[in-house]
Amino acid sequence: DQQVKQNSPSLSVQEGRISILNCDYTNSMFDYFLWYKKYPAEGPTFLISISSIKDKNEDGRFTVFLNKSAKHLSLHIVPSQPGDSAVYFCAASWSGAGSYQLTFGKGTKLSVIP
Amino acid sequence: GAGVSQSPSNKVTEKGKDVELRCDPISGHTALYWYRQRLGQGLEFLIYFQGNSAPDKSGLPSDRFSAERTGESVSTLTIQRTQQEDSAVYLCASSLFQPGGYTFGSGTRLTVV
Repeated sequence: DQQVKQNSPSLSVQEGRISILNCDYTNSMFDYFLWYKKYPAEGPTFLISISSIKDKNEDGRFTVFLNKSAKHLSLHIVPSQPGDSAVYFCAASWSGAGSYQLTFGKGTKLSVIP
Repeated sequence: GAGVSQSPSNKVTEKGKDVELRCDPISGHTALYWYRQRLGQGLEFLIYFQGNSAPDKSGLPSDRFSAERTGESVSTLTIQRTQQEDSAVYLCASSLFQPGGYTFGSGTRLTVV
């Protein structure tokens, strides 16, 4: 039972254009969402997060949007750069779980073409 | 060190052997997590340590898996009688503030042959 789904395994975008990565979740108890970026042979690095009390959070070129009614979030990267090429993981947690363990999606591999 | 350190970075072992994986968290980080990522899958939660509290072991897949952490320092993940399905990248993360804010190590790639 996959509670966090990233339905696109890969995405290719031209440099300078917008990249939109999507994520859906099924557990309505989730109240905190994060995006991680992973390069080969490295651990994931935290990118941006959003609490369920917000619907948008922006940090430089990265914006995360949350639609609670649709149980959907998306990560927008504008403008996309070749260095953004990596695997992006969506993750969710529930503050009531105590351990704040994260439930991850399977990832989307983004390729930014120069 | 400045980051989370894991060793070894790669481990090849024969089926049935025991393996021990090590994680050095960032100094002062009270929370420590172990995750694993099997090929083509997302990261799967294994176990969580917070200070001297009892660990959350709810993600351990079988009793062949165990982990220890002494205080707020090094953690070891032990897999006994390894099986081929244990092949994965095992990732450790530490955190000072929750939720989120994890810092991951580079992982240990375990291959069981």
